[in-house]
Amino acid sequence: IAGITQAPTSQILAAGRRMTLRCTQDMRHNAMYWYRQDLGLGLRLIHYSNTAGTTGKGEVPDGYSVSRANTDDFPLTLASAVPSQTSVYFCASSDSQGPTDTQYFGPGTRLTVL
Amino acid sequence: GQNIDQPTEMTATEGAIVQINCTYQTSGFNGLFWYQQHAGEAPTFLSYNVLDGLEEKGRFSSFLSRSKGYSYLLLKELQMKDSASYLCAAMDSNYQLIWGAGTKLIIKP
Repeated sequence: IAGITQAPTSQILAAGRRMTLRCTQDMRHNAMYWYRQDLGLGLRLIHYSNTAGTTGKGEVPDGYSVSRANTDDFPLTLASAVPSQTSVYFCASSDSQGPTDTQYFGPGTRLTVL
Repeated sequence: GQNIDQPTEMTATEGAIVQINCTYQTSGFNGLFWYQQHAGEAPTFLSYNVLDGLEEKGRFSSFLSRSKGYSYLLLKELQMKDSASYLCAAMDSNYQLIWGAGTKLIIKP
């Protein structure tokens, strides 16, 4: 089934630990995104990638890093997790980063940092 | 700054009509998106407007006024499965989406 998968579904993590959230899409989309969603706030863009080999910073990039080695995968790494990074993380993709290109979302990763 | 405003919560009755409003302020504008998000699930695309006017898609319609920085989502013949959060997002000049916090719609029988 075409779409976006994310792993893990949920995770409880001790503060200071390193964590990588995985995201894979099989739609051959060029653009991919990482968002976090917190109660009472809109989705906030962490990092994005317009095409394989390139990445860019979104609204809230501090404490996070990404890589885009190929079209399908876009992992998000928390180098040293802090409690304020407790959130639901969504990966999304679109054919390109243009005005008519709909973003499709993965099922999300619920991360708790203690 | 960039900002999206929409009501936090609305309640409506099954079979009725509801209008969810959204106002936006962005640096540049490349269109207005509406997404639906059921509790615990991912957002899913509903509609996109870039020109002024009404776009109808089945029971759902979306309206845009660029001069007023205003959009609404109209849901007709409400069904219980329409209970969800509805997210408004405006695309800025860098083609990035600026998201509202979402409107939680509660449908009562």
